[in-house]
Amino acid sequence: GQNIDQPTEMTATEGAIVQINCTYQTSGFNGLFWYQQHAGEAPTFLSYNVLDGLEEKGRFSSFLSRSKGYSYLLLKELQMKDSASYLCVPMDSNYQLIWGAGTKLIIKP
Amino acid sequence: GAVVSQHPSWVICKSGTSVKIECRSLDFQATTMFWYRQFPKQSLMLMATSNEGSKATYEQGVEKDKFLINHASLTLSTLTVTSAHPEDSSFYICSARFDYEQYFGPGTRLTVT
Repeated sequence: GQNIDQPTEMTATEGAIVQINCTYQTSGFNGLFWYQQHAGEAPTFLSYNVLDGLEEKGRFSSFLSRSKGYSYLLLKELQMKDSASYLCVPMDSNYQLIWGAGTKLIIKP
Repeated sequence: GAVVSQHPSWVICKSGTSVKIECRSLDFQATTMFWYRQFPKQSLMLMATSNEGSKATYEQGVEKDKFLINHASLTLSTLTVTSAHPEDSSFYICSARFDYEQYFGPGTRLTVT
C-alpha cells in the first residue's frame, strides 16, 4: 500500500530551526511536494523534489533521498506565522498526490 | 504565479437542497482539475479528477450522482453537491494542475443545516 509517516505534532521556539522528517511508501514515484496549511485554509505550495539532494528556498529547505523513501523540510529563523500544518506529499506513478495528515508545528515565543 | 479561485468561499444551505461550487484557473489553462474534501483535523481526501471535455474520474466511495462535476472549459470546473445532508458539511478544495504542480483554490466551507 501507500503510506506517509510524519510526526503528528512538533513544537519549536521563535527564531530557532526545526526539521520535519517524512518517510513514505508509494506505488512508483514522481517527486515529492511539501505544502503548508494554516487552519481553515487550503494548502500552499512550498517545495518540490524529484532528484536526491537539498533544495533551498529562502528560510525553507527540502531534502530527498529516493533510495531511503525519506524527505525532510527544514525551517530556519522560525516566525510565529510559521505555525501551521506541514504536509509531505509524494506523487505516485499515476501522478496522483498521496496525502497524509501532516505535522502540526507550534511556534512558541 | 498560477492562481486558482473558488466561489463561494462559504455557503450555508438547508438539507435537501443543491449547492454549486466553481473553481477557476485565472492565469493558465488547466486540462486537469481535482476536487478534495477535508474534514476537521483530517487529511485532504481526493474526491475526483476532472478532465476538460470528458467525464470525471471518481475515487472509490464517492457517489458520482451526488457530487456532479462538470469541466466545461480549460479554466472552469464545477462541483454540485446534490440533495445535501448535514454529513456533507465539510471544506471543499479544488486544485488545478499546471506543469507538474498543483495549485489550490482557497476552499469552500459548506455547512448543511
